[in-house]
Amino acid sequence: DAGVIQSPRHEVTEMGQEVTLRCKPISGHDYLFWYRQTMMRGLELLIYFNNNVPIDDSGMPEDRFSAKMPNASFSTLKIQPSEPRDSAVYFCASSLTSVYNEQFFGPGTRLTVL
Amino acid sequence: AQTVTQSQPEMSVQEAETVTLSCTYDTSENNYYLFWYKQPPSRQMILVIRQEAYKQQNATENRFSVNFQKAAKSFSLKISDSQLGDTAMYFCAFMSNNDMRFGAGTRLTVKP
Repeated sequence: DAGVIQSPRHEVTEMGQEVTLRCKPISGHDYLFWYRQTMMRGLELLIYFNNNVPIDDSGMPEDRFSAKMPNASFSTLKIQPSEPRDSAVYFCASSLTSVYNEQFFGPGTRLTVL
Repeated sequence: AQTVTQSQPEMSVQEAETVTLSCTYDTSENNYYLFWYKQPPSRQMILVIRQEAYKQQNATENRFSVNFQKAAKSFSLKISDSQLGDTAMYFCAFMSNNDMRFGAGTRLTVKP
């Protein structure tokens, strides 16, 4: 398996633009997580899905952020409109069977909002 | 809310020596899991070791072992025979009841 795939790897956009980050989990994994990593706040869990259903989105910072998982092999994290403070590395991770199992992380998307 | 504290922002160790990274957490839960993740310069997060709170035996994975003190809410990571490839950020993480929190990380440098 290729592991968790994220695209794009780097994204530079201007304030106010819509940004869509994409993730393909490992095939067969039931759980998918979205994280944000910044120097100031460290690594934060934004939202996670179980069998394509959002379970906990309490980490989503505000209404500008939304995440979807239309099927077992694809998820998106959208920011609209984007702001400079959204600049961060966004990680997607997936795990098998249980939320407590090992999470396999993707390489991350480095987002820069100018 | 659960908090995870890593009090050592940076540490260094000589190759082949042993180093211990500290982690403490605060929770009122009784059933939870603890993790150590490694993030090398490549940025890829990798699980190092996992501990179930209901297990008294400390987890070990080759050169990596933990000292889990449930009463003290302490979960330290010991790396034996340090290798240059161990140079990375190490994050302690706590998970219970749909809540997962990471510590701020410890940057470990292994010196030749």
